[in-house]
Amino acid sequence: GENVEQHPSTLSVQEGDSAVIKCTYSDSASNYFPWYKQELGKRPQLIIDIRSNVGEKKDQRIAVTLNKTAKHFSLHITETQPEDSAVYFCAASINTDKLIFGTGTRLQVFP
Amino acid sequence: DAGVIQSPRHEVTEMGQEVTLRCKPISGHDYLFWYRQTMMRGLELLIYFNNNVPIDDSGMPEDRFSAKMPNASFSTLKIQPSEPRDSAVYFCASSPGGHEQFFGPGTRLTVL
Repeated sequence: GENVEQHPSTLSVQEGDSAVIKCTYSDSASNYFPWYKQELGKRPQLIIDIRSNVGEKKDQRIAVTLNKTAKHFSLHITETQPEDSAVYFCAASINTDKLIFGTGTRLQVFP
Repeated sequence: DAGVIQSPRHEVTEMGQEVTLRCKPISGHDYLFWYRQTMMRGLELLIYFNNNVPIDDSGMPEDRFSAKMPNASFSTLKIQPSEPRDSAVYFCASSPGGHEQFFGPGTRLTVL
């Protein structure tokens, strides 16, 4: 079955700097890659997603890139702010219904 | 829309007791998912339903766990008997299919 690895497990950045989180997947048939943000004590919420027919997608300060050949995808957050502090999860899916999640990255943005 | 509703929000029980977690998905969503979240194992998919039918229960840890979806607006996850290692946050999520999964607030379960 699908396996998703996520790195790093923790990431600390200064406010205003960029943050990059990377994920790799094992099943080349995967075609949907969402990213979820989970604030402390809250539920995971989708922040951005990308499908396999697209190489990059941006939404304001957030962007996701996908390299199908290498089977990895990344989340990029620019101009980080303290409210970006949270745990971020990547996921992969073959048919956009069952998601396999990565282990999460705890991002801390220091003012 | 109130979003995905879960109850109870917190549950504390003793080992050996039966625990029932409840979920009401967003109206119109065809998919319902049950997840378990722990520090050690992260976010694990336990089971998911499509149109009230269980599609994949390969993530259910063992026979002590069971899930039902008697209709489109209600699902339960039952643990019987409960054990301390079942302590976790259990999330229910729903999806219209092929799109974003909307998570409920979760049930924090503590088994003493």
